[in-house]
Amino acid sequence: DTAVSQTPKYLVTQMGNDKSIKCEQNLGHDTMYWYKQDSKKFLKIMFSYNNKELIINETVPNRFSPKSPDKAHLNLHINSLELGDSAVYFCASSPTETYGYTFGSGTRLTVV
Amino acid sequence: AQSVTQLGSHVSVSEGALVLLRCNYSSSVPPYLFWYVQYPNQGLQLLLKYTSAATLVKGINGFEAEFKKSETSFHLTKPSAHMSDAAEYFCAVSDRSSNTGKLIFGQGTTLQVKP
Repeated sequence: DTAVSQTPKYLVTQMGNDKSIKCEQNLGHDTMYWYKQDSKKFLKIMFSYNNKELIINETVPNRFSPKSPDKAHLNLHINSLELGDSAVYFCASSPTETYGYTFGSGTRLTVV
Repeated sequence: AQSVTQLGSHVSVSEGALVLLRCNYSSSVPPYLFWYVQYPNQGLQLLLKYTSAATLVKGINGFEAEFKKSETSFHLTKPSAHMSDAAEYFCAVSDRSSNTGKLIFGQGTTLQVKP
């Protein structure tokens, strides 16, 4: 009964392919996030949804598109993958601004 | 705009020694501050947080941090390091101006614990 689960954990794919990463939380939190962690371990926010509504859309290539079918799920679809997309992608959820995040274990994406 | 700076990308201590990881923040409003730990190939885990209550905050695994407004700091300490403390540590500040719960993370500090 993992609180925030991401699938897959590892993803190796070729340039130009389209791939999706799924995230599900069973904590009942209203807000979910996608962060990208680069090779230097820097964490940068990409998107956030609050109860299925997009509330954060940082400057990322429009090849990245989030989708939230309900407040427990936040998926990330990436079109035309590029070498520079290789990173670890983390999903997180939170109920309030003061609570902090609960993170998933990450998806390591490698584009070859 | 809010930001955090972690001084020292790499800290090495001996087992049993004091751990001190430094974090300074910049915020135009009273900040909410967090420390997270990341073990290899895992997600981030919340260690402790400051949300305008007591300035000395105790967290899990024996860690604590003190909010010092005059120094704009939120340094993380542990009296005696264990080998199991070796990990990446991140300080974060909530972007309260956006009202989205967005966290802005520091660059991270790698803690090495030597036997």
